[in-house]
Amino acid sequence: SQKIEQNSEALNIQEGKTATLTCNYTNYSPAYLQWYRQDPGRGPVFLLLIRENEKEKRKERLKVTFDTTLKQSLFHITASQPADSATYLCALDIQTGANNLFFGTGTRLTVIP
Amino acid sequence: ETGVTQSPTHLIKTRGQQVTLRCSSQSGHNTVSWYQQALGQGPQFIFQYYREEENGRGNFPPRFSGLQFPNYSSELNVNALELDDSALYLCASSLALGGSNEKLFFGSGTQLSVL
Repeated sequence: SQKIEQNSEALNIQEGKTATLTCNYTNYSPAYLQWYRQDPGRGPVFLLLIRENEKEKRKERLKVTFDTTLKQSLFHITASQPADSATYLCALDIQTGANNLFFGTGTRLTVIP
Repeated sequence: ETGVTQSPTHLIKTRGQQVTLRCSSQSGHNTVSWYQQALGQGPQFIFQYYREEENGRGNFPPRFSGLQFPNYSSELNVNALELDDSALYLCASSLALGGSNEKLFFGSGTQLSVL
């Protein structure tokens, strides 16, 4: 069965540093991978989508890489701010006909002022 | 704000009861997906509706059922509630072209507690 592992349940970093979150998957070859942000009591919010033929995608302070050989995606937040504190979820398309997303358990990021 | 609204925001039920959760999609979106998110876990796919037809289902029993209406709003029904059904239920809408959709727009969810 498909399995997604995100590097740790919680990650604490100092304000201004770069946060790096890891998403590893097994038993599947997704056409694309997505990252979402979730704040407590709210639904996930879409951040970035990267396709299997793309190595890197950027959006403002965010950068995502996708290595289909390693079956891994890295999510970077540069110049982190306390407002970046949230849970970050990676998600893969399952392509079982429903095009639903299969989510990891998330990494809770805390940026310390 | 995503434009996806869910009601109610919170709900308390007892074991064995039935519940209906509602979702209004973002304008222009023809696909609705429902997810269950237990505390500390990622969202788990329940099912998806595309143009009023079920378009895939996750590993959930038949007592989880749904509907999509002509205006693309949706309902999730759960019968014979169990304690383990306690979770945040998320609705997500998207624009599917030819059955393929990409990013999802989530509502804030309905927090269901089963006692």
